[in-house]
Amino acid sequence: GDSVTQMEGPVTLSEEAFLTINCTYTATGYPSLFWYVQYPGEGLQLLLKATKADDKGSNKGFEATYRKETTSFHLEKGSVQVSDSAVYFCALSDRTNAGKSTFGDGTTLTVKP
Amino acid sequence: DSGVTQTPKHLITATGQRVTLRCSPRSGDLSVYWYQQSLDQGLQFLIQYYNGEERAKGNILERFSAQQFPDLHSELNLSSLELGDSALYFCASSRGGTDTQYFGPGTRLTVL
Repeated sequence: GDSVTQMEGPVTLSEEAFLTINCTYTATGYPSLFWYVQYPGEGLQLLLKATKADDKGSNKGFEATYRKETTSFHLEKGSVQVSDSAVYFCALSDRTNAGKSTFGDGTTLTVKP
Repeated sequence: DSGVTQTPKHLITATGQRVTLRCSPRSGDLSVYWYQQSLDQGLQFLIQYYNGEERAKGNILERFSAQQFPDLHSELNLSSLELGDSALYFCASSRGGTDTQYFGPGTRLTVL
């Protein structure tokens, strides 16, 4: 079945540091890929997405590129802020499996001033 | 505000009981998804409905059931509750079956 593997956390960075959170996937079909973010006490919200190979999703300074050859969708940000502290989830939606969604375990990011 | 509403926000009940969680999707969204988030198991996909029909099934226990009504709201029924069912239950909705999901604020279930 489909699976998503995320870099284990927690990740602690200083403000303005570079962020990478690794995400790799296994899917039988050709999935859409997503990064969701969950701030404390809230539900998940979409951060960015990509629907085909080589697409780059970007939002709020975060970027991720759909790499079919390496089955990866790593999240990056050049300079993190304290307000980026949250849990980040990589996910896929398998269009050949009725849109079934699979989420990674989440990576907790803490940014210190 | 994602536009997805969930009620109740908190629910405290006893083992062996049955509860119903309710979700109203965003206006125009046809798909509803249910997830369970617990500390030890992360975010688990339970089930998806699309326009009233079951579309995909994940790790949903037999004690749990769901349905989507003609007005597109959905209910998740949890029965014979156990301590381990204590978790946050999220509902999400999307326009179609593979689009971006919009999550509700969740229902926190505590089983004592």
